[in-house]
Amino acid sequence: IAGITQAPTSQILAAGRRMTLRCTQDMRHNAMYWYRQDLGLGLRLIHYSNTAGTTGKGEVPDGYSVSRANTDDFPLTLASAVPSQTSVYFCASSRESGANVLTFGAGSRLTVL
Amino acid sequence: AQSVSQHNHHVILSEAASLELGCNYSYGGTVNLFWYVQYPGQHLQLLLKYFSGDPLVKGIKGFEAEFIKSKFSFNLRKPSVQWSDTAEYFCAVTANNAGNMLTFGGGTRLMVKP
Repeated sequence: IAGITQAPTSQILAAGRRMTLRCTQDMRHNAMYWYRQDLGLGLRLIHYSNTAGTTGKGEVPDGYSVSRANTDDFPLTLASAVPSQTSVYFCASSRESGANVLTFGAGSRLTVL
Repeated sequence: AQSVSQHNHHVILSEAASLELGCNYSYGGTVNLFWYVQYPGQHLQLLLKYFSGDPLVKGIKGFEAEFIKSKFSFNLRKPSVQWSDTAEYFCAVTANNAGNMLTFGGGTRLMVKP
């Protein structure tokens, strides 16, 4: 089934640890995105990639990094996790950047203690 | 700052009641408007979208939304809700003067009582 796969689905992490959330899509979409979802704040864009080899900063990029070595994969790394990064993280993709419908993954729930 | 506002954070309705969820945005220029829905335990999925043309758009499951440019609004409506409509609803906007990035509102949690 075509779509987006995120891993892990849930993780508890000690503050200061490094963590990578994985995201893989099989739809050959050019654009990919990472959002975090927090109660009352909706989804906020962390980083995005319009095409393989390029990345850009979203609304809340601090403390996060991404890479886009190929079309399918778009991992999100927390170099040194802090409690304020406790959230649900959604990866999404679209055929092209801009005014396109996004397809979302199932989310990764991260708790930083 | 450019933003998307959803005025109701929580809405509780009885089955068969009518629904209207407000959404306002502050972007100028050309916008594209979306409503996404997140059912309990599931990921976000598109409910409906407006790119151009008829400002009244029909979506899945009997939902519709009306784009009123003069009011910077894109309210979501459904004449008669069902228990299965219990979910969180997100309004989202892309604007050509904001890099065409999709920006979400804070979401509205709808609970429909059977």
